[in-house]
Amino acid sequence: GDSVTQMEGPVTLSEEAFLTINCTYTATGYPSLFWYVQYPGEGLQLLLKATKADDKGSNKGFEATYRKETTSFHLEKGSVQVSDSAVYFCALFTSGGYNKLIFGAGTRLAVHP
Amino acid sequence: DGGITQSPKYLFRKEGQNVTLSCEQNLNHDAMYWYRQDPGQGLRLIYYSQIVNDFQKGDIAEGYSVSREKKESFPLTVTSAQKNPTAFYLCASSLPGGRYTGELFFGEGSRLTVL
Repeated sequence: GDSVTQMEGPVTLSEEAFLTINCTYTATGYPSLFWYVQYPGEGLQLLLKATKADDKGSNKGFEATYRKETTSFHLEKGSVQVSDSAVYFCALFTSGGYNKLIFGAGTRLAVHP
Repeated sequence: DGGITQSPKYLFRKEGQNVTLSCEQNLNHDAMYWYRQDPGQGLRLIYYSQIVNDFQKGDIAEGYSVSREKKESFPLTVTSAQKNPTAFYLCASSLPGGRYTGELFFGEGSRLTVL
């Protein structure tokens, strides 16, 4: 079945460091891909998305490119801030039949000053 | 402001008791969802509802029940049959059917602890 695999955390970085969180997926169709972020004590919120191959989603300095050839959707940010500390979830959605999001396990990011 | 409100934020329960978690939305969304979050396991779908008076089991529905009597409300009952109920519960909503593109709007969650 469809699935999402994320790199295990926690990822610990100093402020202004470069961030990469790896995400790969397995899907039979042509999924849309998402990154959701969960700040401490809160629910999830959509960070960015891409709906087809080679699309780049971006928001708040974060970017991810939908790579069909490598079935990947890695999250990147050039310079992280302490306020980026959160749990990041990669997810995929395939329409038709049972419409649902499939989430990865989440990757915790801790940014230190 | 439009959004999803979950209550209570924290809840403690003795073994053998049923508890009900509230979820209310004013986004005028037709579809609503309940997820369970455990450390290191991501989110797992418990129940979802595409429309009033209709709901479907998700991946881990055993020991849970829901109702959808009003568009804006989707309460979740954690019954005594749920073997390991301690978790963080998240309610979400979305546009339904063909308009659902995978974007979910989440509440802030309810943390249930069984003593």
